[in-house]
Amino acid sequence: EDQVTQSPEALRLQEGESSSLNCSYTVSGLRGLFWYRQDPGKGPEFLFTLYSAGEEKEKERLKATLTKKESFLHITAPKPEDSATYLCAVPFSGGSYIPTFGRGTSLIVHP
Amino acid sequence: DSGVTQTPKHLITATGQRVTLRCSPRSGDLSVYWYQQSLDQGLQFLIQYYNGEERAKGNILERFSAQQFPDLHSELNLSSLELGDSALYFCASSPHVTAGPDTQYFGPGTRLTVL
Repeated sequence: EDQVTQSPEALRLQEGESSSLNCSYTVSGLRGLFWYRQDPGKGPEFLFTLYSAGEEKEKERLKATLTKKESFLHITAPKPEDSATYLCAVPFSGGSYIPTFGRGTSLIVHP
Repeated sequence: DSGVTQTPKHLITATGQRVTLRCSPRSGDLSVYWYQQSLDQGLQFLIQYYNGEERAKGNILERFSAQQFPDLHSELNLSSLELGDSALYFCASSPHVTAGPDTQYFGPGTRLTVL
């Protein structure tokens, strides 16, 4: 069964304390993996798309990487404004490739 | 600002009632997606429209329906509302439907409260 699982569910960091979020997936023939950031009560904001194992993308303090089984979102020297829920999504083949979202990792960065 | 607009921002109604949520996609985007997000279920795909036609269905209840109009805006109709329908409803849009997945851009959402 196709699945996407994110861990940890919640993460508390001190400002400047780097860490990584994980998104593992089970799908044959990955057609892309998406990372979104969601602030409370707001719509998800697109961050990255990764298409193939070994691919990396960066944006400010965030770097996303992809292997054949999982993706990591590395957060380097986070700031309080990085506090949000981070969602990953994987399209499962059903003819229309609608992304299925994981439950997310809630990140809180303390000053 | 993603360029996707949703109205209303908040909606409070009673059980058994019917409501309509509205979404305007980004300029040029042909696909519209509707999602429901609740605390216990996460972000759940409901339905997708592409250029006026239904393209894909997810976990959408029979009490719910949607349509996309010629100007590409979309409406999600929720009827016979139950307490469990209280949630955030998001619309997203993407430029086109290709052989693979499209990046989706989300609106700010409509918070529905059913009392």
